[in-house]
Amino acid sequence: DSGVTQTPKHLITATGQRVTLRCSPRSGDLSVYWYQQSLDQGLQFLIHYYNGEERAKGNILERFSAQQFPDLHSELNLSSLELGDSALYFCASSPWTGSPFSAYSSTDTQYFGPGTRLTVL
Amino acid sequence: SQELEQSPQSLIVQEGKNLTINCTSSKTLYGLYWYKQKYGEGLIFLMMLQKGGEEKSHEKITAKLDEKKQQSSLHITASQPSHAGIYLCGADITSYSGAGSYQLTFGKGTKLSVIP
Repeated sequence: DSGVTQTPKHLITATGQRVTLRCSPRSGDLSVYWYQQSLDQGLQFLIHYYNGEERAKGNILERFSAQQFPDLHSELNLSSLELGDSALYFCASSPWTGSPFSAYSSTDTQYFGPGTRLTVL
Repeated sequence: SQELEQSPQSLIVQEGKNLTINCTSSKTLYGLYWYKQKYGEGLIFLMMLQKGGEEKSHEKITAKLDEKKQQSSLHITASQPSHAGIYLCGADITSYSGAGSYQLTFGKGTKLSVIP
């Protein structure tokens, strides 16, 4: 058990709908990362929040948004869903306090949640 | 084209054998990360390499970074069935624009099967 929790585990919805995925980081970790994994695209980095502020953006679509709340949990909002959004969505946390130009500091370990499997029908 | 190429795509080895997985970047590397994923499960962060020539170990798994070749190799010694899974490399390929951000990209993975 990594200590990172994600809810829900599975989500089935229809095209055009909006969903919210939730992530609770390990106690004390200030950084939360979101990733998308699909058969077509593989693993893709979406976004990184550090202590409530957006730190870096990856291949996140404009239809997607995220935020990190004062209690450090994070939510990923996916709207106007398309079939191609079906994927596993992982979040990870780390105690990252590294360089502003690096994803992780050299002493960090990232801890991944079990993922949310989103199916868009 | 793929920014991070992993080879081989899949590998079947006999238990006890050594093996190597490579990850080559088409861009300058500022950090190289290795992950493992059990089939249908979550990701496990194995290690991070930042400096050229750096070598790190995690149990029987060793990874090295060759900065000049923009390549990392992951070596497993005396493989065990517990090593089976998909190994992914990720890289920080940020071109420093002063924006204070970074860019992470990932390889397609190497599927490792270990036959008892």
